[in-house]
Amino acid sequence: QQQVKQSPQSLIVQKGGISIINCAYENTAFDYFPWYQQFPGKGPALLIAIRPDVSEKKEGRFTISFNKSAKQFSLHIMDSQPGDSATYFCAASHRNAGGTSYGKLTFGQGTILTVHP
Amino acid sequence: DTAVSQTPKYLVTQMGNDKSIKCEQNLGHDTMYWYKQDSKKFLKIMFSYNNKELIINETVPNRFSPKSPDKAHLNLHINSLELGDSAVYFCASSQAQFSGNTQYFGPGTRLTVL
Repeated sequence: QQQVKQSPQSLIVQKGGISIINCAYENTAFDYFPWYQQFPGKGPALLIAIRPDVSEKKEGRFTISFNKSAKQFSLHIMDSQPGDSATYFCAASHRNAGGTSYGKLTFGQGTILTVHP
Repeated sequence: DTAVSQTPKYLVTQMGNDKSIKCEQNLGHDTMYWYKQDSKKFLKIMFSYNNKELIINETVPNRFSPKSPDKAHLNLHINSLELGDSAVYFCASSQAQFSGNTQYFGPGTRLTVL
C-alpha cells in the first residue's frame, strides 16, 4: 500500500528554471511532511518540511506548497542550479499515541532532478 | 565529526552467508532507524529503536535482527543472505521518536549478494 505518491519520476530543467515535484497522500492522520534531498552515494538529508496548519513554507529557493483538502503537497525549486541535481523524496509521518507509527516516515518513490547548465 | 556513521560502506557476499552492518551516531539522539533503499531508490523503514527499545518493526523477514547495545549504536545482523537482500541500507537517528523530529541519515551500506 503506497500511502505517498510522488511525481514525476524524473525531471529535466534548464538552469534558472523552476522545478516542481508533486506528492499526494492518503492518510489524513499525517501531520508532518518533509522533503529529503539525496545526492549519489550519500544518505538523504532534510531539505525543508511543513506541518498542515500552514499552506506554504519558503526557505531560500525552496518552497513547499500544501493543500490539505486535496491531500497534496509540492516542492518548488526556484532558479534551479546544476548543483540541485539530485533525487528528491517527499515523505510523511504522523503521531499515533497508541500505535507504533512514532516518527515513522513513509516516503514517496523519489524524483530524479537533472538541471542542465 | 561525522554525525551518523556506518560500516562497512560496501559489502559483497555470497548467498547463505551471515553479515552485520554497524551504525553509530554522535548526536546524542534517543532514536535510531534502519531503512532499506532498493534498486529503484525506494526507501522503506525496517526498524526503529528508542533508548534501546524496539519501537517499529515493519514486515521484515526474521533473518534480519537489529541490536542496540546502547542508544548511540544500532547494528543490523542478517542471516542466510538472499539475492533479494541486495540494496543500500541506511541508518538514521532523530532526537526523539515522535513525528516531526528531523531524521539524520548515515552514508549508507551497499550490500551485494552474489
